[in-house]
Amino acid sequence: AQSVTQLGSHVSVSEGALVLLRCNYSSSVPPYLFWYVQYPNQGLQLLLKYTSAATLVKGINGFEAEFKKSETSFHLTKPSAHMSDAAEYFCAVTADQGGKLIFGQGTELSVKP
Amino acid sequence: DTAVSQTPKYLVTQMGNDKSIKCEQNLGHDTMYWYKQDSKKFLKIMFSYNNKELIINETVPNRFSPKSPDKAHLNLHINSLELGDSAVYFCASSQDPMASGGPILYNEQFFGPGTRLTVL
Repeated sequence: AQSVTQLGSHVSVSEGALVLLRCNYSSSVPPYLFWYVQYPNQGLQLLLKYTSAATLVKGINGFEAEFKKSETSFHLTKPSAHMSDAAEYFCAVTADQGGKLIFGQGTELSVKP
Repeated sequence: DTAVSQTPKYLVTQMGNDKSIKCEQNLGHDTMYWYKQDSKKFLKIMFSYNNKELIINETVPNRFSPKSPDKAHLNLHINSLELGDSAVYFCASSQDPMASGGPILYNEQFFGPGTRLTVL
């Protein structure tokens, strides 16, 4: 069975600092991994996805993530945080032929001025 | 030009009532989903439909009944509402994972804005 674990339910960074949100996965088959962002009172928006084409994946808004099979990780990074990045971030894996997403617990990112 | 829309955005009701949430997508997708987000923001799939056919039913109480009148709509009807049903419900859609000889498990799912259900 597939699962994802996000380390840290809340991360706080200063504006301009590096953002690192951690995600580890467990999968019995090669996984497809996603990062979604949820702004307050809104739906989820895809930031990026790993489809096995490349281990370093670039997404929207300056975010990127690196798939590391040896570490079963898919951490999300951004070199310089903006105030507008404050949101809830979800790591997810697709689980079966139905395409359902299995989500991590979410990480709330706060950005301090 | 909203891609996935849900109505209503907020729903406040009493225990025991029956309510429906509507979802529509204009992306031409064949597959639609319902997810539930609880008070701790944990997201869990409830159902998925492909071309009006139920594909996934994740141990959801049978008080919840999805209905897909056509592939652009997936409504969620809830009978005998309970306090524990209070949550945010998200509709999503994607291209058919099984299209083109699939499965294509990395199709992006597009989410609606959510419906916040409060049961008093």
